[in-house]
Amino acid sequence: KQEVTQIPAALSVPEGENLVLNCSFTDSAIYNLQWFRQDPGKGLTSLLLIQSSQREQTSGRLNASLDKSSGRSTLYIAASQPGDSATYLCAVTTWDSNYQLIWGAGTKLIIKP
Amino acid sequence: ETGVTQTPRHLVMGMTNKKSLKCEQHLGHNAMYWYKQSAKKPLELMFVYSLEERVENNSVPSRFSPECPNSSHLFLHLHTLQPEDSALYLCASSQGALPGDWTANYGYTFGSGTRLTVV
Repeated sequence: KQEVTQIPAALSVPEGENLVLNCSFTDSAIYNLQWFRQDPGKGLTSLLLIQSSQREQTSGRLNASLDKSSGRSTLYIAASQPGDSATYLCAVTTWDSNYQLIWGAGTKLIIKP
Repeated sequence: ETGVTQTPRHLVMGMTNKKSLKCEQHLGHNAMYWYKQSAKKPLELMFVYSLEERVENNSVPSRFSPECPNSSHLFLHLHTLQPEDSALYLCASSQGALPGDWTANYGYTFGSGTRLTVV
């Protein structure tokens, strides 16, 4: 059974720093992996989607990488800003999950001004 | 707004009450989902509707009853809930039609959720 883990559960860094959020999954036979952002009291916003055949995706200051063989993905945030404060969740889809998302519990990120 | 609208935003109900959560999307998406989000736990998929047919019911207690009258609307009817049912309930939609549509993940859009408190 596929399990997704995000460590740490919470992270606090000063503004301007580059940072990396981690996501690991137990079954490397994934179809794709997505990173989402959730602001307090709000729904989730899709940030990046990486297909199983891809190694990375970039959007602005965000870069997500995927290493299927090791069961890991990272979300790199460059030059962090207070507006980046949110909970970041990763989710994978496996071939036998009927293309439904399997979620990590998220990393709560706080960027200190 | 993201394109998926949920009402109400907050709901407090007693254990003997009956209430309904509403979700609406006009994105032309074929699949709609109900998720439960509890503190510090991964999202729990509750129900999936594809082309107005229920395709997934993840062992959800019968006190939760979904309804999908058309492709744009999804309801979650609640009755005789327990305090442990207090959580954020999120609705989502996606492009593809399940099962087996590889575009199911595309355009995955969430509503802002309903914060439910059972007293």
